[in-house]
Amino acid sequence: DSGVTQTPKHLITATGQRVTLRCSPRSGDLSVYWYQQSLDQGLQFLIQYYNGEERAKGNILERFSAQQFPDLHSELNLSSLELGDSALYFCASSGRFQRPGEETQYFGPGTRLLVL
Amino acid sequence: KNEVEQSPQNLTAQEGEFITINCSYSVGISALHWLQQHPGGGIVSLFMLSSGKKKHGRLIATINIQEKHSSLHITASHPRDSAVYICAVPGSQGNLIFGKGTKLSVKP
Repeated sequence: DSGVTQTPKHLITATGQRVTLRCSPRSGDLSVYWYQQSLDQGLQFLIQYYNGEERAKGNILERFSAQQFPDLHSELNLSSLELGDSALYFCASSGRFQRPGEETQYFGPGTRLLVL
Repeated sequence: KNEVEQSPQNLTAQEGEFITINCSYSVGISALHWLQQHPGGGIVSLFMLSSGKKKHGRLIATINIQEKHSSLHITASHPRDSAVYICAVPGSQGNLIFGKGTKLSVKP
């Protein structure tokens, strides 16, 4: 158990819909990362938050957005869903130190999203 | 942008064999990560290393910074080691850039 929780575990929805994925980092971790893993693309970085502020952006579509709340949990919002958004979405947390990429990241169990 | 290459893509071994998975990257880094993804999908961080060698149980990770290369070794492999092993390096934005993974299957 990494100490990172994600809900829901599975999500089935239809094209055009909007969903929210939730992540609670390990106690004390200030950084939250969101990753997407699809069959053809592998693991891809979406976005990072550090202590409530957006820190870095990767290959995140404009239809997707995220935020980190004062209690440090984070939500990833996916809207106008398309078939190609079907994937595993992971969040990871790290750092009690501000050296992203140079700290161990602890991954949540993932949310499996299926868009029909 | 750093490119991360892993080899082999797929690996089948007999229980007890010594296994090596390789990772190469194109741009100098400060640290490299090895991750394990279980068949159920969960991802576990195995190692983060910036020089030399680290060992945890039957797993050993080495890195050669000059040659931009890292290896993950598994000694006395066991069917429960069957998983996808992923190498990752820090990107310029603090994220991780992942290799495509090596799918390991250990047969009893």
